[in-house]
Amino acid sequence: AQSVTQLGSHVSVSEGALVLLRCNYSSSVPPYLFWYVQYPNQGLQLLLKYTTGATLVKGINGFEAEFKKSETSFHLTKPSAHMSDAAEYFCAVSTDNQGGKLIFGQGTELSVKP
Amino acid sequence: ETGVTQSPTHLIKTRGQQVTLRCSSQSGHNTVSWYQQALGQGPQFIFQYYREEENGRGNFPPRFSGLQFPNYSSELNVNALELDDSALYLCASRQAGPRASDTQYFGPGTRLTVL
Repeated sequence: AQSVTQLGSHVSVSEGALVLLRCNYSSSVPPYLFWYVQYPNQGLQLLLKYTTGATLVKGINGFEAEFKKSETSFHLTKPSAHMSDAAEYFCAVSTDNQGGKLIFGQGTELSVKP
Repeated sequence: ETGVTQSPTHLIKTRGQQVTLRCSSQSGHNTVSWYQQALGQGPQFIFQYYREEENGRGNFPPRFSGLQFPNYSSELNVNALELDDSALYLCASRQAGPRASDTQYFGPGTRLTVL
């Protein structure tokens, strides 16, 4: 069965510092992996995804993630944090190999200090 | 191109009542999924509908049921509400089958409070 684990329920960084949000997955088949962001009282917005091909994927707002099969990881990074990046971030894996039926991690709340 | 919309935005019910939540899929999308997000948790998959048929279900009891209509709008029905049903309910749509997309687009959610 597929599963997702996000390490750290809360991460705090200073503005301009590196952002690193960790995600490990378990999947019996080649995974489709996603990062979503959720701002307060809003739905989920797709940041980036990995399905096949290049293992380093770039998303919106300067975020990127690298799929590492050997480590079963899909960590999210951004070189320089901005105040507007403060939000909840969710890693997810698709259970049907088509992008549907997502299993989400518990989420990581990112705080950005001025 | 309109995005995914959901109604109502907020809803308050009492234990034992029934509730219907509505979702309008993004234009051109034939697949809709529903998720439950309890406070402080990640979303949990409830079920998915493709061409008006349920084609996948998470670990939710039968009192959670759904419908998808020919125009691809959708309903989530919950009977015999329990306090633990209080959550944000998210609807997501995508295109499956020919010219499939692997990305789901989420609506803003309906916040359900059960007293």
